[in-house]
Amino acid sequence: RKEVEQDPGPFNVPEGATVAFNCTYSNSASQSFFWYRQDCRKEPKLLMSVYSSGNEDGRFTAQLNRASQYISLLIRDSKLSDSATYLCVVFTPMNRDDKIIFGKGTRLHILP
Amino acid sequence: EPEVTQTPSHQVTQMGQEVILRCVPISNHLYFYWYRQILGQKVEFLVSFYNNEISEKSEIFDDQFSVERPDGSNFTLKIRSTKLEDSAMYFCASSPPGLADSYEQYFGPGTRLTVT
Repeated sequence: RKEVEQDPGPFNVPEGATVAFNCTYSNSASQSFFWYRQDCRKEPKLLMSVYSSGNEDGRFTAQLNRASQYISLLIRDSKLSDSATYLCVVFTPMNRDDKIIFGKGTRLHILP
Repeated sequence: EPEVTQTPSHQVTQMGQEVILRCVPISNHLYFYWYRQILGQKVEFLVSFYNNEISEKSEIFDDQFSVERPDGSNFTLKIRSTKLEDSAMYFCASSPPGLADSYEQYFGPGTRLTVT
């Protein structure tokens, strides 16, 4: 099983729709989780941290399921500007060689 | 809004040459990182730096790589003898002070390194 796995997509979603991505991780000792977005040929930008109790920031909701070892990102009322690649990032303090792992990302295209 | 800056934006070098990539992290941040992203592939962690020393490094970060914080503002990545496979986008990132595992990282715009 890959350490951090994401559906690469692309997800083609009409504007205004709701879309959700999952990201699975293999190491149960992983402690911190984040979603970043990356536009084409740009740097990753922090979207939100993922807290154990789940958290919301405007149209974005992130959830963590430790038992099943996945995190999710829900985007409501999607905008054209949401088109990007969404990266799942997992931090595992006890695993020295793979402490910070990025997923390959899920590509999202919002269609007008 | 403070941001991480990187220079140059694009560096072309010949195989075997040394390159130094430069970064200016956000001023009150204490944790610094280098990543690379080969075109079309995922972002890969290279090294983290805290309190003037390397705190973690990946297996990619071999003896050809080194990092330095020569003054209070710059953070550099040196590749001693570049190989074709070093061609990638190199991102610098920094994290604010706080819990050691806060890991909310802010990325610079990257330096595209092309080795010919």
